[in-house]
Amino acid sequence: SYELTQPPSVSVSPGQTASITCSGDKLGDKYACWYQQKPGQSPVLVIYQDSKRPSGIPERFSGSNSGNTATLTISGTQAMDEADYYCQAWDRSTYVFGTGTKVTVL
Amino acid sequence: QVQLVQSGAEVKKPGSSMKVSCKASGGTFSSYGINWVRQAPGQGLEWMGGIIPIFGTANYAQKFQGRVTITADKSTSTAYMELSSLRSEDTAVYYCARVNDYGATGRFDYWGQGTLVTVSS
Repeated sequence: SYELTQPPSVSVSPGQTASITCSGDKLGDKYACWYQQKPGQSPVLVIYQDSKRPSGIPERFSGSNSGNTATLTISGTQAMDEADYYCQAWDRSTYVFGTGTKVTVL
Repeated sequence: QVQLVQSGAEVKKPGSSMKVSCKASGGTFSSYGINWVRQAPGQGLEWMGGIIPIFGTANYAQKFQGRVTITADKSTSTAYMELSSLRSEDTAVYYCARVNDYGATGRFDYWGQGTLVTVSS
């Protein structure tokens, strides 16, 4: 089965840039989405189709996808961005989620 | 504004079955996929399967094949997920989510509030 691998944790200082990677075989040939999940809350879609932002998602969230790696970038990270982030893709009629990354804003 | 409202928390015995509901409002229920995702305590998100109500055919993750049944009632805009032969490892929060653009471009754009199911003897 298809697997998406993310680093368990990423730390970032307020105002700096956080980059979260998602690795999978030929992931660049698929579309990647990203979800933010805060403790006790349901996930929220922040990026879809590699780099599109849903309405209401701040511009500081951006995405890219090439080769075997999709990347979520948070520019000018704020304390409110501290959360778990999951990537997601579609493979052979199956939705697959990444392993998740905890972003800590120090 | 699309809203997905799920049924309440449940406690189940090992070997029994569970059925969680997800009522949609504020959108066109039949045309979008409703999928189910679960999250065990302290763990990540796991896709279980989904259905597009207008077509009525469900698609399941291989891991849950034979144990999960997803259905939809267009008349009440409600989707259901039934999981049988429960074991302790099925203890999790179960989410329903609307999928916009089913398939390769699909994304989970609206989520229910989650339903905690605890499996314990």
